[in-house]
Amino acid sequence: EAGVAQSPRYKIIEKRQSVAFWCNPISGHATLYWYQQILGQGPKLLIQFQNNGVVDDSQLPKDRFSAERLKGVDSTLKIQPAKLEDSAVYLCASSIRPPSTDTQYFGPGTRLTVL
Amino acid sequence: AQSVTQPDIHITVSEGASLELRCNYSYGATPYLFWYVQSPGQGLQLLLKYFSGDTLVQGIKGFEAEFKRSQSSFNLRKPSVHWSDAAEYFCAANTNAGKSTFGDGTTLTVKP
Repeated sequence: EAGVAQSPRYKIIEKRQSVAFWCNPISGHATLYWYQQILGQGPKLLIQFQNNGVVDDSQLPKDRFSAERLKGVDSTLKIQPAKLEDSAVYLCASSIRPPSTDTQYFGPGTRLTVL
Repeated sequence: AQSVTQPDIHITVSEGASLELRCNYSYGATPYLFWYVQSPGQGLQLLLKYFSGDTLVQGIKGFEAEFKRSQSSFNLRKPSVHWSDAAEYFCAANTNAGKSTFGDGTTLTVKP
């Protein structure tokens, strides 16, 4: 079974530029998550999708971050414009069902450096 | 607000020694609890999870964890650490509504 795929693995941009990350979850997984992991901290949930609908985006900085999951499969997370404090690893995860008891499977992440 | 605390930022143990990583949670009710491991450049891998029932749960790679409601703790243990266990370990909790909260992690170094 293929795991969660993410691209790119690394990205370096200047502040105020835009960037987009892509995630392809495990086939058949209805729930998809984007996390931000700042160095020295645990992952923080940015947004959770159930199929192509948003379940929770309470911690997504909506003035600069956006995410979509068209057709309920792969997803894109965008930052526009980027700030220095957005430097982090962006993790995508998926699960079969909403995550109360279900296992989340994580991708390898995208490491973003904002200069 | 719900929270997960991992009091130890960094732990060093000798290979073959026992290991215990601490995790405390603060929730209104008993959450669903998880331990993940993250190796450099890798995503998080689930080690074990607790939902209900037996408070001692077994996981992969020889790890186990014990849920103690009275102490709001879910500590991870391994009787004999291998060099390949060096990694960062995260405790996480999910509410019934499905919201996940992670601790800030404990980095494990294994001395030869």
